Amino acid sequence: DMKVTQMPRYLIKRMGENVLLECGQDMSHETMYWYRQDPGLGLQLIYISYDVDSNSEGDIPKGYRVSRKKREHFSLILDSAKTNQTSVYFCASSNRDRGGNTLYFGEGSRLIVV
Amino acid sequence: GDQVEQSPSALSLHEGTGSALRCNFTTTMRAVQWFRKNSRGSLINLFYLASGTKENGRLKSAFDSKERYSTLHIRDAQLEDSGTYFCAAWTGGYKVVFGSGTRLLVSP
Repeated sequence: DMKVTQMPRYLIKRMGENVLLECGQDMSHETMYWYRQDPGLGLQLIYISYDVDSNSEGDIPKGYRVSRKKREHFSLILDSAKTNQTSVYFCASSNRDRGGNTLYFGEGSRLIVV
Repeated sequence: GDQVEQSPSALSLHEGTGSALRCNFTTTMRAVQWFRKNSRGSLINLFYLASGTKENGRLKSAFDSKERYSTLHIRDAQLEDSGTYFCAAWTGGYKVVFGSGTRLLVSP
């Protein structure tokens, strides 16, 4: 069963607290992604990971860091959450199939920073 | 930079009717993927195309890399089709750019 699982699904944190969003996939995909989605902006890429300990900044990495110690897990960390980081965060993974890629998304993690 | 213009931003359909969503690209894209975000907030894969057209039930998608666009056609719309639809275009390598979404509301 091909699946991307995100935990937690909902989270409320105070400004300045640390946040850990976790993502797992059972497809042995090499590449994993973290996006955030805000109304009217579509999905914006925060970080991309090409494999274990091989991570690269996306379009909006400021205020975030990531960790990939196992191929099946990719974590997004906010060391001091800010109110403008209130958003829905999506994790995705992809494989390379017949010269192309297909993204598989998790169900999203809704973070509210107060 | 690479951009995707998705239209319309919102669409209302009566059950049984149909319409088309469109994404225009500012540069040549390698492939496109269409998603639907359902009422629970989950992103559901609909299509992945590197070229040509694909059809699945009442949905049909086309992608023309040279002309820099992709379309998603919905026919015989049903209430459960309501949601926000996104296109995502692969620029090359692993970079993907998303459209801003189309909010579809299907009413009786």
